[in-house]
Formats: sequence, C-alpha cells, structure tokens
Amino acid sequence: DQQVKQNSPSLSVQEGRISILNCDYTNSMFDYFLWYKKYPAEGPTFLISISSIKDKNEDGRFTVFLNKSAKHLSLHIVPSQPGDSAVYFCAASPYNAGNNRKLIWGLGTSLAVNP
Amino acid sequence: EPEVTQTPSHQVTQMGQEVILRCVPISNHLYFYWYRQILGQKVEFLVSFYNNEISEKSEIFDDQFSVERPDGSNFTLKIRSTKLEDSAMYFCASRRDSWGYTFGSGTRLTVV
Repeated sequence: DQQVKQNSPSLSVQEGRISILNCDYTNSMFDYFLWYKKYPAEGPTFLISISSIKDKNEDGRFTVFLNKSAKHLSLHIVPSQPGDSAVYFCAASPYNAGNNRKLIWGLGTSLAVNP
Repeated sequence: EPEVTQTPSHQVTQMGQEVILRCVPISNHLYFYWYRQILGQKVEFLVSFYNNEISEKSEIFDDQFSVERPDGSNFTLKIRSTKLEDSAMYFCASRRDSWGYTFGSGTRLTVV
C-alpha cells in the first residue's frame, strides 16, 4: 500500500541553502496534507499543513506547495539550519463523513543540514 | 506546553504475553489515536477513539488488540498475546477539534 510516497530516503544540504522535500500521493480522497518532523527517541512533531483547496501555505521558513493535478506536494525550508536535521514525514488524511481524521504516512526523508 | 505522555519508554516481553501500553493524552483533547512504526517501515494507523468508543480501526487492529480510556485521563493499548511481529514503536496521539495532533514520544515494544 503506497498511498503516500516519499521517494528520497535522505537529503543533504548546506546551511543557509534551500531544502526541498517531496511527497507524492495516489488517493484522490485525501483532502488534507501535513508535514511532521521527528528527532530520534521523540514522537513526530507537527510542522505545517495544507488543505486541498489551497496550493500554498507558508509559516516562517517553511512553505508547503500542493499540486493537485500531479498529486504532488513539497516542503521548502529556507534558509536551512543545522537544527532542521531530522526525519521529515509527509502525511495525508482522507475525507470521511466523521471527524476521525486518521493519517496515512510516507516513509520519511532524513534531512541533514551541514554547517 | 501540554504533552502526551507515554509509559513505559521501552517494554520487553515474551511472545504470548499480554502487554499494556499507557498514554496520558492532553486533558482537553477529544480524539485519541494509536499508531505504530515497525523498524524501517511506515508509521501505520491502528485505531482512533472518540466519545468513549472506537471510531475507526485498521486491519492490523485485530482481536488481539484493545483500547480503553478507563478513568478519563489514561488511554491504554492492550495486546493480549504478543507475537514477534508486534515489535515496533507505538505512538499515542491526541487532538482536540482541529488538526493539532500531538504525539507522545512512543513506547518501543520488543517481543522476544
């Protein structure tokens, strides 16, 4: 079951440069997308989200872009900082009549920001 | 900042034994979840709980699994007879009515 795919297991960037993490999905019922960040020995921490009615959402250094026709989203981090080094998960939630809102996760991309 | 607390952080159990993983969600949250991540694999949804009942469960959540919110503060996941393949990191999460999922730090379950 590959409904949410993060095809790059790892990414390495220089401090101050842009980090771009990509995510593809297959399920047309997904109407909300989220990015989580995870450090070792900690739980996932919410970073930023986007509704399917939008194509961009920005929060400080973090911007998420959604291309619905391509079923693709990306997370941009500008400028990247060493403290951003973590595993980044893309997650999606399918619309349903209730408010359950379970999350379907990608495999994650490990980002290393080098000083 | 409010936290979701999970205990224990690491549990080792023998195959066939029962385990109970404990979680204290954020007090004014309404929706409660268990997810798990087997090493090297994706985070997987197990179950969601709302209004004192299961609202959705995955195929993984078979008769060996159960959840309870016994006292209005704790939220537990019980595995009745553990199997080797139950070894994973188990995450509890809670949210109120928006998208603000808060996850605990997880319990690493090792079945030997």
